[in-house]
Formats: sequence, structure tokens, C-alpha cells
Amino acid sequence: GAGVSQTPSNKVTEKGKYVELRCDPISGHTALYWYRQSLGQGPEFLIYFQGTGAADDSGLPNDRFFAVRPEGSVSTLKIQRTERGDSAVYLCASSRDSTYGYTFGSGTRLTVV
Amino acid sequence: RKEVEQDPGPFNVPEGATVAFNCTYSNSASQSFFWYRQDCRKEPKLLMSVYSSGNEDGRFTAQLNRASQYISLLIRDSKLSDSATYLCVVGSNDYKLSFGAGTTVTVRA
Repeated sequence: GAGVSQTPSNKVTEKGKYVELRCDPISGHTALYWYRQSLGQGPEFLIYFQGTGAADDSGLPNDRFFAVRPEGSVSTLKIQRTERGDSAVYLCASSRDSTYGYTFGSGTRLTVV
Repeated sequence: RKEVEQDPGPFNVPEGATVAFNCTYSNSASQSFFWYRQDCRKEPKLLMSVYSSGNEDGRFTAQLNRASQYISLLIRDSKLSDSATYLCVVGSNDYKLSFGAGTTVTVRA
């Protein structure tokens, strides 16, 4: 498709479980971003990839969160030992280069019960 | 203190009315400024960039005041379809965006 694709659209998991969230960016976009949006808040920056490397991971809240982009296209956000406070919408965005021309995906709504 | 602060609203206005709201930002080194629109349970979408000289896009006018560190958005001749949350967004480097919590606008018939 022409847009940023995120799967799954919804994920319910039990506290303590491991989850993976997938982002498929627009073809040819080298820059990829993960943001997290909690209820009633704006999106908060988590991590930025330029190609395969994480150029800035300063927004990851703690070491339970990790993201990869091994071939410079699809990215996976991994959360270990999930906590109820991790419940949020996880948004992925991509752009042609490291400029602000972001396109967001429709997000994954994560609920930790 | 949050990097970007917005009045959450809601602003309830009749069709055809003008509605305006602001946001303030704390980082004086911020370089780029935007308004995004977010519909309920949808992703944010870029509405418009904001330039120092002010800019218009149809019924939407954005202004930037760097000295006072605030950004404004004005919507003229409101339509029902303008009902959404408007996110004030600031960039302080060439890739990372800081979002406000949003201002909710409801346009009623």
C-alpha cells in the first residue's frame, strides 16, 4: 500500500508478557520513527532510525523497550515484561529522509491487563 | 514543565463561526513549527507548517511569535468536518517533534 502499515491494530496482553509491534514504512523512506500516545496526551518520541541504525533512542522509557530495523525497511518495537503503564497507542511514522515530512501509520493500540 | 502547552478546550462553536487558539513552547532554540489534526482514534495528520511571517491555507491561518514563544491557529467559517483535536507541534532538531496534548474543537450545526 501507499501508506505506513502497522500491525496488529489492537493488542491485548497480560502483565508480564512480551509483545512485538510491527511497522512497515512507505517504500523508499529511509527515516522511521516510533512515538507513543497515552490517553489525553500528544504523541511522545521514542526512537528514530536512519536506515538500519537507531540514530536516537533517547525516548525509550527503560530497558524493557527495544526496537530494530535490520534491513532498513520494516521495524519491530519489542516490549518485555509488559506493565499496565505501557498501555497506549504506539505510532510509527516514516519520511523520505530526516526531515519533518512525516507520514504516520494508524497505530497499534496496546492494552496491558 | 511540558515542552509544548495547549489549552485542551473543548471549543464548541456553531457552523460558520471563527475559532482561534494558541499554544506555547518552552525551547527557545526550536526551529520548526506545525499544526497537526487528529480525529478520534485516528493517527495525527499534518494540517500546516507555521512560518514566522504567518501563513494561510484556505480557511486556516497560523501565526508564530518567536519572542513570546507562542503559536496560534485560526479557523474561519467553521465546518462540521473541522471537529477534531488540533495538536501544536514543535521541532528542535532535524527529526524529533514535540507534541502538545491537543485542543479539541467541536463544530455544531
